[in-house]
Amino acid sequence: DAGVTQSPTHLIKTRGQQVTLRCSPKSGHDTVSWYQQALGQGPQFIFQYYEEEERQRGNFPDRFSGHQFPNYSSELNVNALLLGDSALYLCASSLHPRRGAGAGEQFFGPGTRLTVL
Amino acid sequence: AQSVTQLGSHVSVSEGALVLLRCNYSSSVPPYLFWYVQYPNQGLQLLLKYTSAATLVKGINGFEAEFKKSETSFHLTKPSAHMSDAAEYFCAVSPDTGRRALTFGSGTRLQVQP
Repeated sequence: DAGVTQSPTHLIKTRGQQVTLRCSPKSGHDTVSWYQQALGQGPQFIFQYYEEEERQRGNFPDRFSGHQFPNYSSELNVNALLLGDSALYLCASSLHPRRGAGAGEQFFGPGTRLTVL
Repeated sequence: AQSVTQLGSHVSVSEGALVLLRCNYSSSVPPYLFWYVQYPNQGLQLLLKYTSAATLVKGINGFEAEFKKSETSFHLTKPSAHMSDAAEYFCAVSPDTGRRALTFGSGTRLQVQP
């Protein structure tokens, strides 16, 4: 059973560019959350997608946007990159609680490390 | 609003010694609390979670944590450290069982000396 997968593993961009990160959830999961982890810090919630809609959003500017596809996979897009966007971007998948007991726990992927020069 | 404070960004113990990683939380609603571990170049792995059942929670790899409402704490312990326990540990809080956004602490790096 494949866990959460993310691509690419590493990415280097320059200021002002745009980037797209991808996430495939754990088999059977329908909810995807994205987190940003700056060096030496804990992850910070960006947003969550369920049924192809953004359901929750953290304190991140509109430069951060996302999408969820019918197969539950997700993309994170960041426009007009800033040096401060350099971080490890983590994707977490979960099963919506309405699916029953045990749902809700978030499983994390290995992350995509983004470096902005 | 919810927040988590992890006291001590670095903790060093000897192999076989007690591990104690501290976590205090702030929450306006009954909290759900989690401990995650992150090994180098890997994602987060759930160690254990408190979901309002038993206050003493046992997790994987011999770790456990006790929810103390009066102290707003959820400290992580392990009786005997192993070299493989060296990693970064994060405490997190959520208003539900984890479906909604997790709010993480800044992490504690555990070093285990031989």
